[in-house]
Amino acid sequence: ETGVTQTPRHLVMGMTNKKSLKCEQHLGHNAMYWYKQSAKKPLELMFVYSLEERVENNSVPSRFSPECPNSSHLFLHLHTLQPEDSALYLCASSQDGNVHDFGPGTRLTVL
Amino acid sequence: GQQLNQSPQSMFIQEGEDVSMNCTSSSIFNTWLWYKQDPGEGPVLLIALYKAGELTSNGRLTAQFGITRKDSFLNISASIPSDVGIYFCAGSYYNNDMRFGAGTRLTVKP
Repeated sequence: ETGVTQTPRHLVMGMTNKKSLKCEQHLGHNAMYWYKQSAKKPLELMFVYSLEERVENNSVPSRFSPECPNSSHLFLHLHTLQPEDSALYLCASSQDGNVHDFGPGTRLTVL
Repeated sequence: GQQLNQSPQSMFIQEGEDVSMNCTSSSIFNTWLWYKQDPGEGPVLLIALYKAGELTSNGRLTAQFGITRKDSFLNISASIPSDVGIYFCAGSYYNNDMRFGAGTRLTVKP
């Protein structure tokens, strides 16, 4: 595997489900990110981890819970989501906050 | 905070035409990036710019870092069908708080 990988690529869940998104980077970077991409809107930064410590949380609802167990892995735990949370969730990594390398994204649909 | 305005929002062009899109910021940046996103995929870096006035090419793509450090443009020459996608600009100030434009959706008609 190379670059940034994300699983699953597609996820459909009900509002009462609990699911997790997984991201793995194979680039040796020291920072990882979760972004939300909605149609016709700029990418919305959700969480930043630098050296495995969370350094930014942009007022994201508590139904989204990130986890970064090591510098290569990042999770986004989802619980009791709303239909408006349906979007493409992109993971990215960088070295020292520089150029972002993005994963292919997880297309999330909340019913 | 810093806001990025990217224009146009969408473009419909004929194959072979040249394309130009730009981004402006309310504050100065020291890094400008241009990404392309294909349907169902994540953004892929096209060009990175690190110096005011810098002009960089990548094949048929050319991007410039504006002298004021508040703008950047991307040109695509002689467009082809595979240029279809969404193009995003991004900027940051000393690696903090990368900001993204809303994207330019490009459609190329054969």
